[in-house]
Amino acid sequence: DTGVSQNPRHKITKRGQNVTFRCDPISEHNRLYWYRQTLGQGPEFLTYFQNEAQLEKSRLLSDRFSAERPKGSFSTLEIQRTEQGDSAMYLCASSTIGVGDKVSDGYTFGSGTRLTVV
Amino acid sequence: SQQGEEDPQALSIQEGENATMNCSYKTSINNLQWYRQNSGRGLVHLILIRSNEREKHSGRLRVTLDTSKKSSSLLITASRAADTASYFCATDERAGGTSYGKLTFGQGTILTVHP
Repeated sequence: DTGVSQNPRHKITKRGQNVTFRCDPISEHNRLYWYRQTLGQGPEFLTYFQNEAQLEKSRLLSDRFSAERPKGSFSTLEIQRTEQGDSAMYLCASSTIGVGDKVSDGYTFGSGTRLTVV
Repeated sequence: SQQGEEDPQALSIQEGENATMNCSYKTSINNLQWYRQNSGRGLVHLILIRSNEREKHSGRLRVTLDTSKKSSSLLITASRAADTASYFCATDERAGGTSYGKLTFGQGTILTVHP
């Protein structure tokens, strides 16, 4: 297992187009997270899954964003009708769940997908 | 929303010097973690300290946690040029004894180590 894989690494799209990103987590990790990061800021939580169940979605996430994790393996993040404000680095991370639902260990992050909306 | 506030926002030192970064947070936590990010890359987990721990070491890293002050510090000793990166603290927040199950990141400290 080579870690968390994200594709594509870079995506340039025109405003109004739809884009989809893929994340392949570490196989034995049951938690998968999506974060967004803009320049000079820390990662901002978007959503996360435990196996195939989407447990939480940030209130900051508009209806144009949707994420899936079919069969509890890879995940996709789709942005519909992209806007220039969607330009950011989209990071995926995976981890195992700890006792009492706690984050008991560190996240393993992918290298991210950098989205530019022109 | 951002939970942690890192201080300083930027730090510039010479190789061999120690680097200290601080993080403050607002809510009760289960644990606090530190991550490093090289420019344009994903984050790398450095160290995790639990709410019942006060200090932890890993190689050249030393992390302290003061839950009464809701603050943590990361010390990198004998810094190297390769330590140049952004450093983020992240908290696993807790409400009523239950974890939210996700990490909330601060805005980071940019560390530059000059050779």
